[in-house]
Amino acid sequence: DTGVSQDPRHKITKRGQNVTFRCDPISEHNRLYWYRQTLGQGPEFLTYFQNEAQLEKSRLLSDRFSAERPKGSFSTLEIQRTEQGDSAMYLCASSGRAVESGERGAFFGQGTRLTVV
Amino acid sequence: AQKITQTQPGMFVQEKEAVTLDCTYDTSDQSYGLFWYKQPSSGEMIFLIYQGSYDEQNATEGRYSLNFQKARKSANLVISASQLGDSAMYFCAMREPYSSASKIIFGSGTRLSIRP
Repeated sequence: DTGVSQDPRHKITKRGQNVTFRCDPISEHNRLYWYRQTLGQGPEFLTYFQNEAQLEKSRLLSDRFSAERPKGSFSTLEIQRTEQGDSAMYLCASSGRAVESGERGAFFGQGTRLTVV
Repeated sequence: AQKITQTQPGMFVQEKEAVTLDCTYDTSDQSYGLFWYKQPSSGEMIFLIYQGSYDEQNATEGRYSLNFQKARKSANLVISASQLGDSAMYFCAMREPYSSASKIIFGSGTRLSIRP
C-alpha cells in the first residue's frame, strides 16, 4: 500500500492555459474523489467515481473542468482556459468497500497546488 | 442539504492542556458518519476519528475522543494532553447516507496552535 499519489505536486501556469493533474488511488480502492481547497478553507467536493463511472459532479465544476477515470484505476482532472480563481490545492482521495474503509472516510493524497499567474 | 459548521477559526492552547474543537452538522438523514481530520502545514489530510450515527458510545482513539450529541447535532473533538505536534488545521466532516460510496463534505476548519 503506497497510498494515494498525485502528480504534479506543484503547477504554475499562465492564465488561459490548460492543465491536467493525475491521481493514482490505493490499488484496491474502487472509489475516487476530487476536492478543491483554497487557503484557510475546508476541501470542497468536486466529483467522484465508482470504478470508471462518474457518479456525481458538483455545481462548482464548471464546463472548463473535466475529470476522467478511463479504466477505473488512475484519474485525471483537466482545467481548460485557466483563470486566476482556479488557484487552489486540488486533493484526490480514494476509498474501498464500506466494511473496510467506511469508518476511515477516504484516504487523501498530498494534493496538487495550482497557481495561475 | 447537508452542512458542517465549525465556528472557531483559530484556537490557542497551552501544551498539556485539553482542548475541545466544536462542530455542528445539519442533515435530514438518519444514517450518516462523522469524521475528524487533521491537516498539518505539510498539507496531507490525516484521519483522526470516526463516529457513526447509530453508535451509542462516543468514539475514542488514543488522545482523541468525539463528544457526540445527536439531538443537538454536534460532534465536538476533544484532544487530551495537547502536544506541540497537534498544531494544525482540524476539519470536521460528514458522509450521508452512511456508505463509502457517498461524498464527504467538510467544515471550514479550526486552526489549532499549541503554546509551549
